[in-house]
Amino acid sequence: GAVVSQHPSRVICKSGTSVKIECRSLDFQATTMFWYRQFPKQSLMLMATSNEGSKATYEQGVEKDKFLINHASLTLSTLTVTSAHPEDSSFYICSATPVNTEAFFGQGTRLTVV
Amino acid sequence: GIQVEQSPPDLILQEGANSTLRCNFSDSVNNLQWFHQNPWGQLINLFYIPSGTKQNGRLSATTVATERYSLLYISSSQTTDSGVYFCAGSGGSNYKLTFGKGTLLTVNP
Repeated sequence: GAVVSQHPSRVICKSGTSVKIECRSLDFQATTMFWYRQFPKQSLMLMATSNEGSKATYEQGVEKDKFLINHASLTLSTLTVTSAHPEDSSFYICSATPVNTEAFFGQGTRLTVV
Repeated sequence: GIQVEQSPPDLILQEGANSTLRCNFSDSVNNLQWFHQNPWGQLINLFYIPSGTKQNGRLSATTVATERYSLLYISSSQTTDSGVYFCAGSGGSNYKLTFGKGTLLTVNP
């Protein structure tokens, strides 16, 4: 299957700082990528759709100014959690889909804000 | 949006037993996938199955699209099968997946 790589896998940051998470499609191009968030013992919830060359589309209730998404190339989308607070601690995971196939997910990033 | 209901929420098995996990959708889906989430959080693709039946080793899946449900079968379960199983689907041509709440499977030796 296709490979989606996410980095870093784990990050600890201080409250008030910003953290950038990268999502790369390694063997295919992706004009669209998706970012999900998963709290402990819960399901994955879609946060936003990352669109190459245009603005991201955010799901209802997701603060676009806190979760900045940039999709500058056909293989890279970044999610920046700005002014992180402990309640932003979560598991963030991205996905991308080669044309006409299934979605593939990155390894995920476990963010802890202290 | 689409609602996804998974059952059972928890399942405990003895090694060697068989199990069936179910996923119901509130509306038609064009894309339907089953995943296994490993202890490190990574989602492992099991099946892409918007309709029909597929098998991969001890695992198989069936989707009845007209009745908006999908089943995942695990036969001769092993302790390594333990973890959370998710189904997810999307309508239309996009891949904005809506996930069920998952089934936590525990296989005891």
